Amino acid sequence: GAVVSQHPSRVICKSGTSVKIECRSLDFQATTMFWYRQFPKQSLMLMATSNEGSKATYEQGVEKDKFLINHASLTLSTLTVTSAHPEDSSFYICSARDWGRGTEAFFGQGTRLTVV
Amino acid sequence: GQQLNQSPQSMFIQEGEDVSMNCTSSSIFNTWLWYKQDPGEGPVLLIALYKAGELTSNGRLTAQFGITRKDSFLNISASIPSDVGIYFCAGHSSNTGKLIFGQGTTLQVKP
Repeated sequence: GAVVSQHPSRVICKSGTSVKIECRSLDFQATTMFWYRQFPKQSLMLMATSNEGSKATYEQGVEKDKFLINHASLTLSTLTVTSAHPEDSSFYICSARDWGRGTEAFFGQGTRLTVV
Repeated sequence: GQQLNQSPQSMFIQEGEDVSMNCTSSSIFNTWLWYKQDPGEGPVLLIALYKAGELTSNGRLTAQFGITRKDSFLNISASIPSDVGIYFCAGHSSNTGKLIFGQGTTLQVKP
């Protein structure tokens, strides 16, 4: 149980285009999902907290108009990188919390975004 | 803000050796989690700790929630090559609802 699926695993896009990343909790309902960004050989940096049915809460320094988050259902949150630029290239990871299991967070497989 | 200091940053050990890594914080956490991340993958939960002083095992892995609630350690016994990866500690604060990650410990095991 507690499986989180993230799609796509890899994406290459042209500069100026937008990319959508999906995060799904497959066997539990996740009222809260989290989006992280990870640079090579570094830790996970929290970008935003996504709550079902309400606006996401962004961390300081993260542009909400750049990284659009939609948590439309209890099993799906999406992150859209708008007008992507090469500096947005990174590894993006989502996690979801199953409140029935406590405060454990389960992670998706990650998405490697390359903007060319 | 809340920060976790994880050490060591990296370890290179011989297969069969035991490994220990730890995390400390200036803040109190109500949950400590330990994750392992393989290259190009998301972190996988290894052990979750919910009570101060709690000692929990998962196979060859053992982790403890420090009495002060500001630290935790993870031990791996009799390491094997598939233990290679990056290990992260994470602390959950009930005040913020966020999961704060340590800097990671990169483990390499020589067969």
